[in-house]
Amino acid sequence: DAGVTQSPTHLIKTRGQHVTLRCSPISGHKSVSWYQQVLGQGPQFIFQYYEKEERGRGNFPDRFSARQFPNYSSELNVNALLLGDSALYLCASSYTPGTGSYNEQFFGPGTRLTVL
Amino acid sequence: GESVGLHLPTLSVQEGDNSIINCAYSNSASDYFIWYKQESGKGPQFIIDIRSNMDKRQGQRVTVLLNKTVKHLSLQIAATQPGDSAVYFCAEILSGGYQKVTFGIGTKLQVIP
Repeated sequence: DAGVTQSPTHLIKTRGQHVTLRCSPISGHKSVSWYQQVLGQGPQFIFQYYEKEERGRGNFPDRFSARQFPNYSSELNVNALLLGDSALYLCASSYTPGTGSYNEQFFGPGTRLTVL
Repeated sequence: GESVGLHLPTLSVQEGDNSIINCAYSNSASDYFIWYKQESGKGPQFIIDIRSNMDKRQGQRVTVLLNKTVKHLSLQIAATQPGDSAVYFCAEILSGGYQKVTFGIGTKLQVIP
């Protein structure tokens, strides 16, 4: 079975540009979460989506947005890129969002974004 | 691949010895705690979890201890192997309307053959 897949694997952008990152969850998983991992730090929660709706949002500016499609895949969009947005962007999927109980998340390999 | 362990605390252990990795968490209301292993160029991989109403849980070669009094979590790896070399993160989970996962700083484990 395929795990969580993300595309592209690497991306180079310049300041002010826009970027779209993509994630396909494990088959049967309906919830997708996005994380930002700056080099040398732990992942930081950005968004969680379930059944195409945003269920949770971390402390990130409005330049960050996401959506989930009917097939449960997801896109993360970042506008007006800053140098500080350079990071590994991780997608994780789970069967449910874990409301009231823990539901294991499976992480993809991430997309390495470099902003010049 | 790039090193996710840049600037992280590092624990060096001889192959075959036991490893203990420690973590302090912040939210006393967290429901679950998880240890993840992250190898260079990969996403975090689940190792073991523990519910907040437990103080110890054992897996294959790994044991997690939870001390809620001092908000401390530890991961013990028995008979450490070269394949255990990675960055280890603890994470606390607060379940509510969604599953909020907060990762700790991370510790880089280096296994010396």
